[in-house]
Amino acid sequence: DVKVTQSSRYLVKRTGEKVFLECVQDMDHENMFWYRQDPGLGLRLIYFSYDVKMKEKGDIPEGYSVSREKKERFSLILESASTNQTSMYLCASSPWPGQGIHFGSGTQLSVL
Amino acid sequence: QQQVKQSPQSLIVQKGGISIINCAYENTAFDYFPWYQQFPGKGPALLIAIRPDVSEKKEGRFTISFNKSAKQFSLHIMDSQPGDSATYFCAASITGEKLTFGTGTRLTIIP
Repeated sequence: DVKVTQSSRYLVKRTGEKVFLECVQDMDHENMFWYRQDPGLGLRLIYFSYDVKMKEKGDIPEGYSVSREKKERFSLILESASTNQTSMYLCASSPWPGQGIHFGSGTQLSVL
Repeated sequence: QQQVKQSPQSLIVQKGGISIINCAYENTAFDYFPWYQQFPGKGPALLIAIRPDVSEKKEGRFTISFNKSAKQFSLHIMDSQPGDSATYFCAASITGEKLTFGTGTRLTIIP
């Protein structure tokens, strides 16, 4: 069974802090994704990566960056957290870009 | 921007009834239409998916109906149970490209 593990379930940070969200998958998937989920807005793609050291902007990349140094690990970075980045963050992986996507359980980030 | 419009935003159905969630899309190049189910505290999980070469796909109590000419697809949950209470997301993609998700439907099944 595919497992996508996100390092934190809940996270509270202060405005201006640098925040790292970590994600690890155990299925040797090529593609990894970061989404944010907000009520009434659904799931919006922040960044995705189709290979190690490769990254592509999603629909809402502003204020975020990512890092993929190893195939199994994909990190989301908030360079200077702001209150409008309070959200549920979901990491996902898949063997193909648009199909077979498996999600982690999410990290609920609160920026105060 | 590619869009997938989902309705209703929330839905209450009696146990044993049929739950119906609808989605509409604009991009005729979409060729993969999955539905995801999300329980509180969990990430979304793939429930069922369809391609546009068929008009219907059934897996147990869950059925996707697809209308290519109307650019619409829907999820039907037959004999709805309290355990089906969850948030449901439709999505669409072009093969090889990223998924675009709908805004979600919160389904509540009441006894």
